[in-house]
Amino acid sequence: QQPVQSPQAVILREGEDAVINCSSSKALYSVHWYRQKHGEAPVFLMILLKGGEQKGHEKISASFNEKKQQSSLYLTASQLSYSGTYFCGINTGGFKTIFGAGTRLFVKA
Amino acid sequence: GAVVSQHPSRVICKSGTSVKIECRSLDFQATTMFWYRQFPKQSLMLMATSNEGSKATYEQGVEKDKFLINHASLTLSTLTVTSAHPEDSSFYICSARSRDRGSETQYFGPGTRLLVL
Repeated sequence: QQPVQSPQAVILREGEDAVINCSSSKALYSVHWYRQKHGEAPVFLMILLKGGEQKGHEKISASFNEKKQQSSLYLTASQLSYSGTYFCGINTGGFKTIFGAGTRLFVKA
Repeated sequence: GAVVSQHPSRVICKSGTSVKIECRSLDFQATTMFWYRQFPKQSLMLMATSNEGSKATYEQGVEKDKFLINHASLTLSTLTVTSAHPEDSSFYICSARSRDRGSETQYFGPGTRLLVL
């Protein structure tokens, strides 16, 4: 079943922070985060494999709450290049990754 | 990071013709490849999962006779849209899971934009 992402869209000014949430109705084995720019394929950001895991890359980080069956992506001090649609993908067992509907992020100067 | 290529990047065809899209993992062996379809402003919808040397597993609602998938080697999977119709126009994206680089990470190809007239 498709994970639920929130919010659907967010508008930020450069330097502001944002949080994107991803929740599942099933137990999660892993959570993936991707960013997609218009007309391009998704680009892998990070994967979280264990409950309680937190990962970060520069000013983008994510956490995985296994108990709550959810993950959050944190964007701090946003830059114009952060604009795009963010997808979480979940694995609930097996090979498949199912993607959420996406969160559209607009960063304004 | 790992590189996945797709060919062609864009294709325009007439209704009723068949179109083949190739997906290659360039610097790793992909035990599993996935095919997604994405309509404008929508999410990636998984169409099928293919493992090298075996038949693809299709998602519910995806016609296996219409979307033929062949995973002939550890570096190549093809999707053939048979007798394409305008409603098949979409962005088709493949992704590959590496056997060596950590079994969970999926690397996406650049996508193929299909327009059926």
